[in-house]
Amino acid sequence: AQSVTQLGSHVSVSEGALVLLRCNYSSSVPPYLFWYVQYPNQGLQLLLKYTSAATLVKGINGFEAEFKKSETSFHLTKPSAHMSDAAEYFCAVTSRGSTLGRLYFGRGTQLTVWP
Amino acid sequence: ETGVTQSPTHLIKTRGQQVTLRCSSQSGHNTVSWYQQALGQGPQFIFQYYREEENGRGNFPPRFSGLQFPNYSSELNVNALELDDSALYLCASSFPGRSSTDTQYFGPGTRLTVL
Repeated sequence: AQSVTQLGSHVSVSEGALVLLRCNYSSSVPPYLFWYVQYPNQGLQLLLKYTSAATLVKGINGFEAEFKKSETSFHLTKPSAHMSDAAEYFCAVTSRGSTLGRLYFGRGTQLTVWP
Repeated sequence: ETGVTQSPTHLIKTRGQQVTLRCSSQSGHNTVSWYQQALGQGPQFIFQYYREEENGRGNFPPRFSGLQFPNYSSELNVNALELDDSALYLCASSFPGRSSTDTQYFGPGTRLTVL
């Protein structure tokens, strides 16, 4: 069964500081991995996805994530936080080779950015 | 290009009632997935429809049912509502819908409150 664990339900950073949101996955084979962002009263928006051999994935809004098989991790980073980054972030996993696009989500990490 | 839309935005029902939620997929998308997001949790997969057929189902009881129409819009029906059904219901569409790498585009959700 697929699952992801997001360490830290709340993360607070100052504007301009590094953002690091942690995600670890559990899967018998390397899965496909996704990061989504959810702003208040809105649906989920895809930030980036890992589906290939390129382990460093660049996404929108300056975010990137690195797939580390040895650590079963897919942490999300951004070098410099902006006030507009305040939102909830979800890591998700799906099975490689499946025709069913079922996403398994983590519980989410709420990012607060202080001025 | 019109994104994924959902109606209604908010809904209040009482225990035992039935509810129908609606989703219009993004133009050209033939696959619709439904997720339930309880407060403070990540979205949980309910089921997916591909070309009007159910393509997979999560761990939800039969009182959760769905339909997909020839224009690929979709409905989620919930019978015999329970208090625990209170949640944000998200619809996501994708194309061509036969790979787990397909990006799923989420609507803003319907907030259901069961009293």
